[in-house]
Amino acid sequence: SQTIHQWPATLVQPVGSPLSLECTVEGTSNPNLYWYRQAAGRGLQLLFYSVGIGQISSEVPQNLSASRPQDRQFILSSKKLLLSDSGFYLCAWSTGPTGQYFGPGTRLTVT
Amino acid sequence: QKEVEQDPGPLSVPEGAIVSLNCTYSNSAFQYFMWYRQYSRKGPELLMYTYSSGNKEDGRFTAQVDKSSKYISLFIRDSQPSDSATYLCATSLQGAQKLVFGQGTRLTINP
Repeated sequence: SQTIHQWPATLVQPVGSPLSLECTVEGTSNPNLYWYRQAAGRGLQLLFYSVGIGQISSEVPQNLSASRPQDRQFILSSKKLLLSDSGFYLCAWSTGPTGQYFGPGTRLTVT
Repeated sequence: QKEVEQDPGPLSVPEGAIVSLNCTYSNSAFQYFMWYRQYSRKGPELLMYTYSSGNKEDGRFTAQVDKSSKYISLFIRDSQPSDSATYLCATSLQGAQKLVFGQGTRLTINP
């Protein structure tokens, strides 16, 4: 069966510090991978998605970047965090149009 | 106008009631329709998906799509306190890699 991991689960970082969130998927090959952000009480905002190694599509211009160094690994990064980067970050995978499967999320607080 | 509209609620009903959650969408080309359940501080969990119009049943949950009115529904029978969560609808185009999400409806089932 497929499993998706995200770490860390929670993170508190000062403004201006770098960020690296990691997501890995097990039990599937060549998945589409996604990064979402969810602000408190708000819907899901798609940040990046990837259909293959090294292929990244950015949905919203912002302070973040994404990379896919391996088939089942997706990394979200920032060089300098802003207060507005606080939120709940979710990674998801899919192999077709019938839905995406989400990880447990990382709660980021920028202070 | 958002592509998918969903009343954010909150919706509060007594245990055992039938719950009806709804979304409307604007693009008649959407073909796949999904419902997710998200518990507090967790990642969304895919409950059901349907393709095109019709009903799909899974235990106490029934998903319904009416493409003529661009209306999608999720019914929960014999609701339980454990059903208390935020429910998000989502849809996608044929062949698309991205989903379009509603804002989510926060549901509380009172014992």
